[in-house]
Amino acid sequence: QQQVKQSPQSLIVQKGGISIINCAYENTAFDYFPWYQQFPGKGPALLIAIRPDVSEKKEGRFTISFNKSAKQFSLHIMDSQPGDSATYFCAAWDLGYNNNDMRFGAGTRLTVKP
Amino acid sequence: SQTIHQWPATLVQPVGSPLSLECTVEGTSNPNLYWYRQAAGRGLQLLFYSVGIGQISSEVPQNLSASRPQDRQFILSSKKLLLSDSGFYLCAWNPRGRNTDTQYFGPGTRLTVL
Repeated sequence: QQQVKQSPQSLIVQKGGISIINCAYENTAFDYFPWYQQFPGKGPALLIAIRPDVSEKKEGRFTISFNKSAKQFSLHIMDSQPGDSATYFCAAWDLGYNNNDMRFGAGTRLTVKP
Repeated sequence: SQTIHQWPATLVQPVGSPLSLECTVEGTSNPNLYWYRQAAGRGLQLLFYSVGIGQISSEVPQNLSASRPQDRQFILSSKKLLLSDSGFYLCAWNPRGRNTDTQYFGPGTRLTVL
């Protein structure tokens, strides 16, 4: 069942621009929200993650914004680079209940044009 | 440090043939192990997870099966492949226990059924 909705499906950004990917979840019990980056032919790799006790987390050019009341979170990539071109997945996890049940969004294919 | 291996990296099999994909994790004990399938341009679908040797849970009814003969080994199998089994298969692990962090993915196996 689709519990995490991700948009857009694809995104094209110019080099130096800001890439924004959005996710919305349904289950209020989710308490861990990671973002994964996947290059073609490779497995997803953890990029950045946030817990709902904070509204924003920044690591380098990557920032997660989290809105608990709206049940939404987003990934912002500042100063986007061609090397950022990849597919990005958001996910949501209820750590306190069942740590075998991470729900993934459908993915966003990001293309950064030079 | 922990590493996760999958093999083979790519596989082309005829319809009706058997399948065996292997995943091993190094540098940790008693991990949770997962098998995901990723269809082209789509998100991650959880197929199986295991919390211990011989303990397998299936998320969706399908033509595939999983086994965990050793603590750090997870095998995905099929007796007779279908065209619809084509996809990118990912193994993942995470430490066992509540409030553990994210899942870590292997490099994946690209399966093409002809």
